[in-house]
Amino acid sequence: NAGVTQTPKFQVLKTGQSMTLQCAQDMNHEYMSWYRQDPGMGLRLIHYSVGAGITDQGEVPNGYNVSRSTTEDFPLRLLSAAPSQTSVYFCASSYTTGGADGYTFGSGTRLTVV
Amino acid sequence: AQSVSQHNHHVILSEAASLELGCNYSYGGTVNLFWYVQYPGQHLQLLLKYFSGDPLVKGIKGFEAEFIKSKFSFNLRKPSVQWSDTAEYFCATPIFGNEKLTFGTGTRLTIIP
Repeated sequence: NAGVTQTPKFQVLKTGQSMTLQCAQDMNHEYMSWYRQDPGMGLRLIHYSVGAGITDQGEVPNGYNVSRSTTEDFPLRLLSAAPSQTSVYFCASSYTTGGADGYTFGSGTRLTVV
Repeated sequence: AQSVSQHNHHVILSEAASLELGCNYSYGGTVNLFWYVQYPGQHLQLLLKYFSGDPLVKGIKGFEAEFIKSKFSFNLRKPSVQWSDTAEYFCATPIFGNEKLTFGTGTRLTIIP
């Protein structure tokens, strides 16, 4: 049982480049979300999805797009990378909304934008 | 709850000392609260959760937390810490009809052998 798988683990981008961070879960969780973690700011919600075909914005959605075509996958797209997007990104999933059964987190993607 | 706050940014303790990390919530209806832990270089893991019932909640690795409604608090405790407890600890609560989980800014715990 793989849980939540994120790829890549590390990435360096140049300003203006685009890329997709992949997230896949094999637990049949309906709820998936993306967070970014920055020192002193905790985790901030970027986008989330309560099921296939349904996505919504979190606290810091600007510069990011998501889609949820299947239950398993929830990719995060950076449209035009900026240095302010340098961060560690975590994908999380849960069987229920609000994480009543606890969120399962991926191992993270460390992104540097130069 | 609608938000949580953690006022201890960095706590340094010696092994075997007792631990208490603060978490305060803002009331907004049903109160569901979590503590997560992030060991160095790893992802977040659930330590414990409170939904209702007994206000003293026991979690993994000897941690516990007490929900005190009169103080709007959900502090994390451990009677005797170990070097392996060195990590960052996050308090969290669902918001907006349970669709989103919001986290506090975290408390970095350093245990000195």
